[in-house]
Amino acid sequence: QSALTQSASVSGSPGQSITISCTGTNGDLGSHNLVSWYQQHPGKAPKLMISEVNKRPSGVSNRFSGSKSGNTASLTISGLQAEDEADYHCSSYTVSGTLVVFGRGTKVTVL
Amino acid sequence: EVQLVESGGGLVKPGGSLRLSCTTSGFTLSDAWMSWVRQAPGKGLEWVGRIKGKSDGGKTDYAEPVRGRFSISRDDSRNTLHLQMNSLKTEDTAVYYCSREDYCGGDCLNAFDSWGQGTMVTVSS
Repeated sequence: QSALTQSASVSGSPGQSITISCTGTNGDLGSHNLVSWYQQHPGKAPKLMISEVNKRPSGVSNRFSGSKSGNTASLTISGLQAEDEADYHCSSYTVSGTLVVFGRGTKVTVL
Repeated sequence: EVQLVESGGGLVKPGGSLRLSCTTSGFTLSDAWMSWVRQAPGKGLEWVGRIKGKSDGGKTDYAEPVRGRFSISRDDSRNTLHLQMNSLKTEDTAVYYCSREDYCGGDCLNAFDSWGQGTMVTVSS
């Protein structure tokens, strides 16, 4: 099962908005809404930021939002802050036996 | 508060075995759908396998690279999840995370809403 495609890195200045994209296929994120995003700081465990395309868990800042169009999902971070600097991973349920596939991660740098 | 604490990682030779544990608190393990996810050094996340809640039959599913070598079990009386890893290969070297799934129902897999801190497994001669 191929990984979802994410850009390697995205950067922005404090206060700006950035968008991270995640591209899959009709066999994974193109066919349902079970798409999630995780934030991971260096040496730390991942943290769920968005589930089911655009649902924010309790405690996650409303600066984080998700969307999907066709085979591409997106995570937007608005009002970028220094603490947002981290790796962001997308994932999707897949109808293959693997059940879930991840992207390789996007490194967000706050300039 | 949901807490997941992994243990049991270490250095093992190719072909060897290792058993990881995940001690849980803050929720009822027997009802939960639980997964193991791993991350090789410098790489992305990779799903390893899952066990459904007791009321959903406790069925297990595994990713193709580990199917037939790894098995997941649960000791509800001790609130502990296990990952038994046999016939280990160098490519199994990774940090292994225990995680709780958002309930999905059926055979789908939703998000991982809670994660442990991870335990490192190194397979090397």
